[in-house]
Amino acid sequence: DVKVTQSSRYLVKRTGEKVFLECVQDMDHENMFWYRQDPGLGLRLIYFSYDVKMKEKGDIPEGYSVSREKKERFSLILESASTNQTSMYLCASSPPRQLARSLFFGEGSRLTVL
Amino acid sequence: AQSVTQLDSHVSVSEGTPVLLRCNYSSSYSPSLFWYVQHPNKGLQLLLKYTSAATLVKGINGFEAEFKKSETSFHLTKPSAHMSDAAEYFCVVSDPDGGGFKTIFGAGTRLFVKA
Repeated sequence: DVKVTQSSRYLVKRTGEKVFLECVQDMDHENMFWYRQDPGLGLRLIYFSYDVKMKEKGDIPEGYSVSREKKERFSLILESASTNQTSMYLCASSPPRQLARSLFFGEGSRLTVL
Repeated sequence: AQSVTQLDSHVSVSEGTPVLLRCNYSSSYSPSLFWYVQHPNKGLQLLLKYTSAATLVKGINGFEAEFKKSETSFHLTKPSAHMSDAAEYFCVVSDPDGGGFKTIFGAGTRLFVKA
């Protein structure tokens, strides 16, 4: 079975802390994504990566950065967490560009910033 | 420009009755359309996708959706709801021709199933 694993399901951090969210996929997918999910807003794309060491900004990149040193791993970094970054974060991967590319999601990391 | 509108934020049905979750889209291209389901505290799982082949698409767990270009709709249906269908459902439009990753998620519809 294909799998996208997010290492932390629940985190509680304080304002100003640096936060790392890790995501690993075992499908050898080129593309990986970080989304933020908030009630009533659906999913919004933060960053994506289409290759190792490559990254592109999504719709809401402010306050976030990413790292992709290995094909299977894509990390989301909050340099200085703020309360408005309290949210559910979802990692996804997909195969190379194709018609109707499906996304495979992890189970999410729920972050609370106090 | 792409957009997707899920017309109901909440839908409540009784077990054994039909399910209808409505989705309208806007796209400058011939879109790819998806429905994903999210059970509580889980990630999203693909239910079905439309890729410009048959306009009636069958997915997992008895769900299906019909692409209607004239109405710019992609409504999700199931003939008979089951308690396990209670979840949040997302309609998604994707631009297959764009150079980037233009995928837009609807705001979601939460489905409640009453016993």
